[in-house]
Amino acid sequence: GESVGLHLPTLSVQEGDNSIINCAYSNSASDYFIWYKQESGKGPQFIIDIRSNMDKRQGQRVTVLLNKTVKHLSLQIAATQPGDSAVYFCAEILVNRGFKTIFGAGTRLFVKA
Amino acid sequence: DVKVTQSSRYLVKRTGEKVFLECVQDMDHENMFWYRQDPGLGLRLIYFSYDVKMKEKGDIPEGYSVSREKKERFSLILESASTNQTSMYLCASSLSGGSNEQFFGPGTRLTVL
Repeated sequence: GESVGLHLPTLSVQEGDNSIINCAYSNSASDYFIWYKQESGKGPQFIIDIRSNMDKRQGQRVTVLLNKTVKHLSLQIAATQPGDSAVYFCAEILVNRGFKTIFGAGTRLFVKA
Repeated sequence: DVKVTQSSRYLVKRTGEKVFLECVQDMDHENMFWYRQDPGLGLRLIYFSYDVKMKEKGDIPEGYSVSREKKERFSLILESASTNQTSMYLCASSLSGGSNEQFFGPGTRLTVL
């Protein structure tokens, strides 16, 4: 079946260090992927996306890497800050299925001061 | 900025009650979604709508119905609330095409006693 999963449910990093959040997906027909950030008491917010024909995309302090060979997606956060503490979700978009979006279970990132 | 609002942040209902959750978006988005979010399960799609008066079942539609009479408003209805419907409910909207980034509301935490 389809699934978008995360390797670790929680991740704890020191402030200033880099964070890497991983995601495995099972549907090779996906067209692109989105990372969302959900802070406590709020709905998820878009961070960055990547199309399936790319293997890397950079934003401000964030980089998403896509390895289609092993169906793996990662979000890298540089110089992690306390404000980065949140739950991070990867999501898989299937254009040939009416843009169906499949969300992973989420990884909680704790940033230690 | 896109704004998605939900009628209540917290709601407590009794088993068997009919419950209405309202969602309004102000950016003329075609697509609207209702998810429930439970610990360890991520976001699961209940229903979605691609146009006014149009609705499609998501992954877990049982026990729910929806209504989209106006483009900006998407309602989730629990005909007879049950305790297993205690959850966080998230509404989202998106434009058709493009990256299909979804914009989320703040969520409604529903408790069914």
